[in-house]
Amino acid sequence: GDSVTQMEGPVTLSEEAFLTINCTYTATGYPSLFWYVQYPGEGLQLLLKATKADDKGSNKGFEATYRKETTSFHLEKGSVQVSDSAVYFCALSPLGQGGKLIFGQGTELSVKP
Amino acid sequence: DGGITQSPKYLFRKEGQNVTLSCEQNLNHDAMYWYRQDPGQGLRLIYYSQIVNDFQKGDIAEGYSVSREKKESFPLTVTSAQKNPTAFYLCASSPRRAGDEQYFGPGTRLTVT
Repeated sequence: GDSVTQMEGPVTLSEEAFLTINCTYTATGYPSLFWYVQYPGEGLQLLLKATKADDKGSNKGFEATYRKETTSFHLEKGSVQVSDSAVYFCALSPLGQGGKLIFGQGTELSVKP
Repeated sequence: DGGITQSPKYLFRKEGQNVTLSCEQNLNHDAMYWYRQDPGQGLRLIYYSQIVNDFQKGDIAEGYSVSREKKESFPLTVTSAQKNPTAFYLCASSPRRAGDEQYFGPGTRLTVT
């Protein structure tokens, strides 16, 4: 079945460091792909999305490119801030299943001043 | 403001009692979802509904029940049959079209002692 695998956390970085959180998926066809962010004690917020191969989603300095050949959707940011500390979830929308999403297990990011 | 509301934010119950978590949306979305999140883990789908008066079991439906009598409301009942009910519960909605993102509420933290 369809699935999403993320790199394990926690990831600890210093402020202004470069961030990569790996995400790979298994799915049939070309599912839509998403990154969500969850701050402590809150719900999930959509960070960015991509709906077809080679699309690049971007928001608030974060980027991710839909790579069909490597079935990946890695999240990157050039310079992280303390305020980026949160849990990041990669997700896909399987074809033919309406609006259902399949989530990865989440990656906790901690940014130190 | 359009969005999803969940109430209450924190809920405490004694073991053996049923408890109902509220979820309301004013986004005019067809589909609604309930997830459970345990510490350090991803989201697990409990139930979902793609249209009024219809709903389907997710991956961990045992010990839970739902209803969808109105488009904007999707309450979740945690019954006494749920063996480990203490968790963070998240409600979401989406337009139901494949590829659409889900919009999340702020969550309800349930503690059963």
